[in-house]
Amino acid sequence: DTGVSQDPRHKITKRGQNVTFRCDPISEHNRLYWYRQTLGQGPEFLTYFQNEAQLEKSRLLSDRFSAERPKGSFSTLEIQRTEQGDSAMYLCASSFRGRDNEQFFGPGTRLTVL
Amino acid sequence: DQQVKQNSPSLSVQEGRISILNCDYTNSMFDYFLWYKKYPAEGPTFLISISSIKDKNEDGRFTVFLNKSAKHLSLHIVPSQPGDSAVYFCAAQTQTGANNLFFGTGTRLTVIP
Repeated sequence: DTGVSQDPRHKITKRGQNVTFRCDPISEHNRLYWYRQTLGQGPEFLTYFQNEAQLEKSRLLSDRFSAERPKGSFSTLEIQRTEQGDSAMYLCASSFRGRDNEQFFGPGTRLTVL
Repeated sequence: DQQVKQNSPSLSVQEGRISILNCDYTNSMFDYFLWYKKYPAEGPTFLISISSIKDKNEDGRFTVFLNKSAKHLSLHIVPSQPGDSAVYFCAAQTQTGANNLFFGTGTRLTVIP
């Protein structure tokens, strides 16, 4: 399968717990993006990586959020001390540098914080 | 500050007729525009795009029109098919920095057989 994959697809957690999501981009795509989509809204940019370097973060990415892409391949997004407002769909997308218009999205991880 | 706006949350169209989805933007630095289609439980799927140097791009049943002076774009689907029923997101980019996408809030299209 050559698409973007995300794991898990669904996560239910209690407020205050930590959660971690994984994204596997399309191989050889050197750019990887994280977006968040809340109910009734379009996806909103959180952060992006070029290879292993995290080059930009949105103001939406509070200190409780951290993202990594240690070897320039898969990426993880961790949320510490989750809050009910963190409930959303977390989407990962990847693109090939020079063709950044074409971002391919994964199916997303739906997070519910109780 | 919503830089990309889709003011119609929903649209219903009869099968075989034209669907027109509209999108407005406020940031004059945007120079590339895209439409994504989203089915439930799936991520957005790229549909069609247009560069700011063009005013029309066509791909099969889908045509995107760009009016830069009005900061407006539209997606035309003709003829509409029941399988086109989905949420359509308009998105915009600048060609610098992160190239991240700025999305509208989406329009739910329902094509009635």
